[in-house]
Formats: sequence, structure tokens, C-alpha cells
Amino acid sequence: NAGVMQNPRHLVRRRGQEARLRCSPMKGHSHVYWYRQLPEEGLKFMVYLQKENIIDESGMPKERFSAEFPKEGPSILRIQQVVRGDSAAYFCASSPTAQGGSNEQYFGPGTRLTVT
Amino acid sequence: AQSVTQLGSHVSVSEGALVLLRCNYSSSVPPYLFWYVQYPNQGLQLLLKYTTGATLVKGINGFEAEFKKSETSFHLTKPSAHMSDAAEYFCAVGFQKLVFGTGTRLLVSP
Repeated sequence: NAGVMQNPRHLVRRRGQEARLRCSPMKGHSHVYWYRQLPEEGLKFMVYLQKENIIDESGMPKERFSAEFPKEGPSILRIQQVVRGDSAAYFCASSPTAQGGSNEQYFGPGTRLTVT
Repeated sequence: AQSVTQLGSHVSVSEGALVLLRCNYSSSVPPYLFWYVQYPNQGLQLLLKYTTGATLVKGINGFEAEFKKSETSFHLTKPSAHMSDAAEYFCAVGFQKLVFGTGTRLLVSP
């Protein structure tokens, strides 16, 4: 069973460009979470999505950031007009259910975004 | 609101020595608690979790953690460190939205 897939693994963008990060959850998982890890810091929650729905986006910056998880295809985290402060590792996690159970989240390898 | 504090950004041990990584949490509801390990340039791997029931939780690679409500702690231990245990360790609290500590880097010397 393949794990959580993220691509690209490394992404370089110039200031002002758009960054698009993709996440394919584990098979059978319908819940996706995005986290950001700045250098020498822990992970910070950004957004929680189910298929076609944003459940909690309390950690998303108000501007330039958006996320989606369409009915078909991977979840996408989009950052418009990137700035140097967006340079970080972005991790996606998935879980089978958020109802009951322990909501065990499985993490992908991350996308390391560098803004030049 | 929930939060996690990991005491000690770096912990150094000798191979074969006891590993103790500290985690204290704050939560207004019964917490779900997790320990994750991160190797360089990789994602996070779940070591163990506490939800309800037995307060001593055993995880992978010989790690275990004990939930102590009175001390609001969930410290991670391993009786004997291996070189392969060198990594970054994160404590987290939450259900859907995980709140992570700042991490503890474990260094293991021969």
C-alpha cells in the first residue's frame, strides 16, 4: 500500500511566481491535512480538507494561499505571488476518518519550497 | 486551545544509554497525544499515540511513553539508545488539527 505521495519534492520559485504543491493521500483515506515547517521549527497546521470540502482553514494565511481537494485527483496547495518568507517545507498528511478512532495521520515526505 | 512544550531542543546520549525526551501539554479537553520521529529530509513517522485507556503506551522501535494527567506530561523513553535513533522527535496534541512542539533533536554518540 503506497504511502502519502507529494510532488514535487523540491520546488524553486522566484518572488512573485505561483507555487503549486500536490498531495495524493493513502488509498482509502478521505481526509487531508497540510502543515508548514519553517527552518528549526515544528510543524504548523494550515488546513484540513475532505473531498470537495474545506473543513478547517484556521491556519491558512488570509491572502495568497488556497487549498482544494477535488472529487478526483490530488489535493493542491496553491501559493500565489510567493515571497521569501514562504520558503519552508510543506507536509501533507492523510487519515481514513476523523469520526471516532484516533485520527492517526500519515505524513508524506514533504515539498521543500525555496523562493529566490 | 491546545499547546505542547518540549523541554530541550537537543538531547545527547551515548549508545546503550536511556533516552528521555520530555513533553508537556495543555488541553481543555481530554487530549489525544502523539510522538513522531523525523529523519533528515523526510516526513514524519508515527512512533506511538495515546487516546484513551492504558496510560503506558508502547510504540515502534522500542519506544514507549506514559500519559500522566496530574503532571500534564507525555514523556518519551527508550531503555537503550541505538545510533539509528538519532533524529528529530516531535510531540503533538490534537484530534483533527495537530499542534506540534518545536521538536527535540536526539544525538547518539558511540
